[in-house]
Amino acid sequence: DTGVSQDPRHKITKRGQNVTFRCDPISEHNRLYWYRQTLGQGPEFLTYFQNEAQLEKSRLLSDRFSAERPKGSFSTLEIQRTEQGDSAMYLCASHRAQETQYFGPGTRLLVL
Amino acid sequence: GQQLNQSPQSMFIQEGEDVSMNCTSSSIFNTWLWYKQDPGEGPVLLIALYKAGELTSNGRLTAQFGITRKDSFLNISASIPSDVGIYFCAGPYTGTASKLTFGTGTRLQVTL
Repeated sequence: DTGVSQDPRHKITKRGQNVTFRCDPISEHNRLYWYRQTLGQGPEFLTYFQNEAQLEKSRLLSDRFSAERPKGSFSTLEIQRTEQGDSAMYLCASHRAQETQYFGPGTRLLVL
Repeated sequence: GQQLNQSPQSMFIQEGEDVSMNCTSSSIFNTWLWYKQDPGEGPVLLIALYKAGELTSNGRLTAQFGITRKDSFLNISASIPSDVGIYFCAGPYTGTASKLTFGTGTRLQVTL
């Protein structure tokens, strides 16, 4: 499968714990995005990488959230001290310049 | 910020019927995208539109880029059970290679 992959697909955690999600984009795609989707809503932009550089962060991305793309390939999204409001689907998307974005299957997070 | 409003919010139709949904924006878009999302999965790109007035088909799906550049329409002909899902319109903030803003979604249910 050469699509965008995300791991894990589901995560249940207790409030206050840290969680980390991974995204593997399509191999030749230099641009990578993270979105968050809550129930009944469309995805909302969180942050964007071009190669290893994080070029933009949404105001939705509080200081408890951090994202990396150390070698310009896979990316990780970490949430520290999780809160119940962090429960959502976290989606990763990638593309090449001037092309449309392709989404991964998402990681569904439930914070108890 | 930019907002995309979709209507209807949900539709219940019988198999074989045609479906129409639309998306309107408070701002001009240079690209319109239509995605379909199945439960527990990421959005899948259906159709991309790049020019005002453009009409593009993908099998039973047809989408149009409104001439005002503030709206788009998606039609599904002869619906089948696998058309069930949530349909989102989306547009990049600038150009094609940019973070996407998504509409509120249209939930489609198909009855036999």
